[in-house]
Amino acid sequence: QVQLVQSGAEVKKPGASVKVSCKASGYTFTSFDFSWVRQTPGQGLEWMGYVRAQNGNTEYAQKFQGRVTMTTDTSTNTAYMELRSLKTDDTAVYYCARIKYQLLLDYWGQGTLVTVSS
Amino acid sequence: EIVLTQSPGTLSLSPGERATLSCKASQTISSTYLAWYQQKPGQAPRLLIYAASSRATAIPDRFSGGGSGTDFTLTISRLEREDFAVYYCQHYGRSPLTFGGGTKVEIK
Repeated sequence: QVQLVQSGAEVKKPGASVKVSCKASGYTFTSFDFSWVRQTPGQGLEWMGYVRAQNGNTEYAQKFQGRVTMTTDTSTNTAYMELRSLKTDDTAVYYCARIKYQLLLDYWGQGTLVTVSS
Repeated sequence: EIVLTQSPGTLSLSPGERATLSCKASQTISSTYLAWYQQKPGQAPRLLIYAASSRATAIPDRFSGGGSGTDFTLTISRLEREDFAVYYCQHYGRSPLTFGGGTKVEIK
């Protein structure tokens, strides 16, 4: 069965960076791309971008351009999302999700809480 | 960017009742690219419906989706206790991917 297992909760100070991992199993990793979505109480669900599993090509939401990097490691079947220059309003649960096709998200990781606080 | 507006914000119903949730788009979208997700507390969203009316794998047939143009609906024919959750609509197909603000279905 398809599973996406994310890394554990993080606490960061403003200005720091965080890197969240998402390990996939139960299917051929390079056959499906990944999207990252975050959820905050104030903003609901917010799309951050996607990364192609096979070649690492990316597209980021305008809001995060210059601050986010999404990558994949085909040797470990893992996707990564790094967010830099963290601010307190980056406090959120970050989800990875598998793209079934055309940005339709069919399987999601369990979420990773990132808390940004001084 | 397509903005999705969901209503009502909260729906208070009893088990066995019918729930009808609305999702309105800021511009006409193809029904091919409208999805619905269910989210329970502490869990990730789960895909329910895609292409406006197609049920995802293992989704019971009490869930149905419809609509076209700018107006879409999710209907739960008879609510069961496990259906009380928050529901989100989503536009996909091109970036940026957008979500509605959600409708909470709570037990009356």
